[in-house]
Amino acid sequence: EAGVAQSPRYKIIEKRQSVAFWCNPISGHATLYWYQQILGQGPKLLIQFQNNGVVDDSQLPKDRFSAERLKGVDSTLKIQPAKLEDSAVYLCASSWVKREQFFGPGTRLTVL
Amino acid sequence: GQQVMQIPQYQHVQEGEDFTTYCNSSTTLSNIQWYKQRPGGHPVFLIQLVKSGEVKKQKRLTFQFGEAKKNSSLHITATQTTDVGTYFCAGRQTGANNLFFGTGTRLTVIP
Repeated sequence: EAGVAQSPRYKIIEKRQSVAFWCNPISGHATLYWYQQILGQGPKLLIQFQNNGVVDDSQLPKDRFSAERLKGVDSTLKIQPAKLEDSAVYLCASSWVKREQFFGPGTRLTVL
Repeated sequence: GQQVMQIPQYQHVQEGEDFTTYCNSSTTLSNIQWYKQRPGGHPVFLIQLVKSGEVKKQKRLTFQFGEAKKNSSLHITATQTTDVGTYFCAGRQTGANNLFFGTGTRLTVIP
């Protein structure tokens, strides 16, 4: 069974630029999550989708972050404009409803 | 809001020693999950606990869920160098859809 795929693996941008991350979940998983993990901290949920609907985006900084999950499969997370404090690893995970989450390798973002 | 704290933040042990990490939630949880993240890697699911007072074992790992469903622990017996990593608990508040990850305990095993 293929795992969760993410791209790119690394991204370096300057502040005020925009960036987008892509995630392909495990086939059949209805729930998709985007997490932000700052170095030395636990993953923080940004947004959770159930199929193509948003279940929870209470911790998503909506003035600069946006996410979509077209057709209930792949998802993209965008930051525009980026700030220095956005430097982190962005993890995508997928699961069956309320079951264990399978994480992708993450995208390490550095904002200069 | 919900908070999930873990102690200790760091733990260094000699190979063969035991290790325990504790997880405490500010709210009652419907279930709790444990994940392991190797250095440079991503979190990998270990186990889920659902029932009050539940105890589960996986080889040298023992997981407990507190009677009040607000705390949990992970105990590793006779640590090995392969146990190195950060252990996170993640709790789901009763009625909620999302998980709150704890602050993590970073384990170093000295050979």
